[in-house]
Amino acid sequence: EAGVAQSPRYKIIEKRQSVAFWCNPISGHATLYWYQQILGQGPKLLIQFQNNGVVDDSQLPKDRFSAERLKGVDSTLKIQPAKLEDSAVYLCASRASYEQYFGPGTRLTVT
Amino acid sequence: KQEVTQIPAALSVPEGENLVLNCSFTDSAIYNLQWFRQDPGKGLTSLLLIQSSQREQTSGRLNASLDKSSGRSTLYIAASQPGDSATYLCAVINGSQGAQKLVFGQGTRLTINP
Repeated sequence: EAGVAQSPRYKIIEKRQSVAFWCNPISGHATLYWYQQILGQGPKLLIQFQNNGVVDDSQLPKDRFSAERLKGVDSTLKIQPAKLEDSAVYLCASRASYEQYFGPGTRLTVT
Repeated sequence: KQEVTQIPAALSVPEGENLVLNCSFTDSAIYNLQWFRQDPGKGLTSLLLIQSSQREQTSGRLNASLDKSSGRSTLYIAASQPGDSATYLCAVINGSQGAQKLVFGQGTRLTINP
């Protein structure tokens, strides 16, 4: 069974630029999550989808972050414009029943 | 608001020792608790998941316990090996299965010295 796929793996941008991350969950997993992990901290939930609907986006900075999950499969997370404090690893996870399965993450550096 | 704390932040031990990692949480009304391993530059690998009705789970040299009433969980690693070096994250799962939400601790960075 293929795992959660994410791309790109690394991205370096300047502040005020925009960036997008892509996630392909495990086939058949209805629930998809995006997390932000700042260096030295645990992951923090940004947004949770159930199929293509948003379940929880209470910690998503909506003035600059947006996410969508078209057709209830792949998802994209966008940041526009980026700030220095957005430098982090962005993790995608998917779930069918009890356990969440994580992708390798995208490491974003904002200079 | 659920808060999860892991102690210690970093731990270094010689190979072969048994060790315990600690996790505490402020709200005992949890759905499940999960321990993850994270290698540098990699995603998270699930180690053990303890459902709220259980008190412990075992997998090989790993044993995780859960005491909801005291808001604590421990991860016991027996006969540690250099390959166990990684960051270990504890996550409390709040909400029902449909609206499951993970709240993570900051992790314990473990180094096993040969």
